[in-house]
Amino acid sequence: GESVGLHLPTLSVQEGDNSIINCAYSNSASDYFIWYKQESGKGPQFIIDIRSNMDKRQGQRVTVLLNKTVKHLSLQIAATQPGDSAVYFCAEKGDDKIIFGKGTRLHILP
Amino acid sequence: NAGVTQTPKFRVLKTGQSMTLLCAQDMNHEYMYWYRQDPGMGLRLIHYSVGEGTTAKGEVPDGYNVSRLKKQNFLLGLESAAPSQTSVYFCASSYLSGGGYTFGSGTRLTVV
Repeated sequence: GESVGLHLPTLSVQEGDNSIINCAYSNSASDYFIWYKQESGKGPQFIIDIRSNMDKRQGQRVTVLLNKTVKHLSLQIAATQPGDSAVYFCAEKGDDKIIFGKGTRLHILP
Repeated sequence: NAGVTQTPKFRVLKTGQSMTLLCAQDMNHEYMYWYRQDPGMGLRLIHYSVGEGTTAKGEVPDGYNVSRLKKQNFLLGLESAAPSQTSVYFCASSYLSGGGYTFGSGTRLTVV
């Protein structure tokens, strides 16, 4: 069945460094993946998405990489800022719904 | 402002009581979803709807019912609340199946 998981529950990064958040998925038929950011007390917010016919997609300070061979995707955040502190979820599209992973908390060190 | 509005934002129920959570969106989205979020569990899909008058079960539907009588509203009902239903509930909507969800700000429900 479908499952989406994250390798690390918490990631601590120095302010100004790059952050890399990893995610594994199990459904090789999934064709659409999304990263969400959730700040404390708020609902998840869309960050960036990628379709299975792409390996990489860039946004503003964020890059998503997709490796279909090992069913792995990652979110890279350049020059991490205090405002990036949040829980990040990867999600994969399955039929009419999106399945979310458990999330990784990104902690920014001053 | 366009978006997804959830009411109420907070609620405390006694075991056995019933209540309805309301989700309203003004973006003309076809798809709507109810998720619950528990510590360490991420977001789990309760029920969803692919259009007005339709509903479908998600991962954890037991103890909940939903209705989508109007396209803009998606109601989540708890007929007999249990402490295991203590959680934060999020509603989301999307124009396309699986496409960029817009989430509400959540309802924090405590069942004592």
